[in-house]
Amino acid sequence: GAGVSQTPSNKVTEKGKYVELRCDPISGHTALYWYRQSLGQGPEFLIYFQGTGAADDSGLPNDRFFAVRPEGSVSTLKIQRTERGDSAVYLCASSLDSRGTGELFFGEGSRLTVL
Amino acid sequence: AQSVTQLGSHVSVSEGALVLLRCNYSSSVPPYLFWYVQYPNQGLQLLLKYTTGATLVKGINGFEAEFKKSETSFHLTKPSAHMSDAAEYFCAVSRSGGSYIPTFGRGTSLIVHP
Repeated sequence: GAGVSQTPSNKVTEKGKYVELRCDPISGHTALYWYRQSLGQGPEFLIYFQGTGAADDSGLPNDRFFAVRPEGSVSTLKIQRTERGDSAVYLCASSLDSRGTGELFFGEGSRLTVL
Repeated sequence: AQSVTQLGSHVSVSEGALVLLRCNYSSSVPPYLFWYVQYPNQGLQLLLKYTTGATLVKGINGFEAEFKKSETSFHLTKPSAHMSDAAEYFCAVSRSGGSYIPTFGRGTSLIVHP
């Protein structure tokens, strides 16, 4: 398919462990966003990439969270020393338009559960 | 800073009845406004958007929304609900304070009764 692909779809880990979540955006989309969605809440912004660089990482909650996009396509969200409060669905979206007028195309999300 | 308020976490309607989902925004500049829908076990998808021009915008599946600057609102409507409209609906705003990153509301779950 040509949509945004996120892996894994589900991840269960223990408190203190390291986790990586992967996002494969639509081909040609230069803008890539990570959001986090907790139960009963809307998507909460984490970080935005334009090409390879993180143009805005103001939503990352603390320094345990980090994301990369080394070749301007696939992105990985990395969470160190996971905590139970990190449990949520992590959403990735991509867009052709970096000026905010365009549609964001979302993946189905990676559900993270920290025990 | 920009923000979005969606009134009502759940809205329940009968099939064939009017659907009205409320969204109010806060923005220091003319905003870009969006409605997204999330069906169970699927990713969010765009229903409609307002950027400039006509304030009444039409989207997919018979939905429409009207940008009312004086009321800072962007309510979503559909004249006649269908069972397949049952989903989570999110309002979003961007283009405020120099940021083009969409800020989402908490969402409204639409329940459609036969």
